[in-house]
Amino acid sequence: NAGVMQNPRHLVRRRGQEARLRCSPMKGHSHVYWYRQLPEEGLKFMVYLQKENIIDESGMPKERFSAEFPKEGPSILRIQQVVRGDSAAYFCASADYTGGQETQYFGPGTRLLVL
Amino acid sequence: AQSVTQLDSQVPVFEEAPVELRCNYSSSVSVYLFWYVQYPNQGLQLLLKYLSGSTLVKGINGFEAEFNKSQTSFHLRKPSVHISDTAEYFCAVSDLNQGGKLIFGQGTELSVKP
Repeated sequence: NAGVMQNPRHLVRRRGQEARLRCSPMKGHSHVYWYRQLPEEGLKFMVYLQKENIIDESGMPKERFSAEFPKEGPSILRIQQVVRGDSAAYFCASADYTGGQETQYFGPGTRLLVL
Repeated sequence: AQSVTQLDSQVPVFEEAPVELRCNYSSSVSVYLFWYVQYPNQGLQLLLKYLSGSTLVKGINGFEAEFNKSQTSFHLRKPSVHISDTAEYFCAVSDLNQGGKLIFGQGTELSVKP
């Protein structure tokens, strides 16, 4: 069973460009979380999605950031008009809450560098 | 709101010595507790978790942690560390009333020296 997949692993963008980060959850997992790790900081929750629904976006910046998890395909975290402060590692985690399994499994992350 | 405090940002230790990484969380009625390890430029790997039951939890790589409800702590321990344990360790809490999102501590950098 393949783990959580994220691509690209590294992404370089210039200020003002768009960044699209993809996350494929583990097989059978229908819950996806996105977290951001700024340099020298811990991970901060951004958004929680289930298929076609945003459940909790309380950690998302109000502007420029959006996320989706369509019925088919990976979850996408989209950052419009990137700024240098968006440089960070973005991690996706997936979970399957059936049968009392409460564990989130993390992908390898996408490291975004904004020049 | 739930919060997690890892009291030590860096812990240097010699190989084969015991180690304890401290974690405290703010009080909540129902929480799940986790320890994750992050090796350089990699994602997070689950070490162990406490959901319910026995307060002493054993995980992978010889690590264990004890849930102490009265002190709201979940300290991670290993009796004898190896060079390969050098990594960043994160304590996290999942509040059942907040949809399962994880609240992380700031992390503890464990550095094992020969």
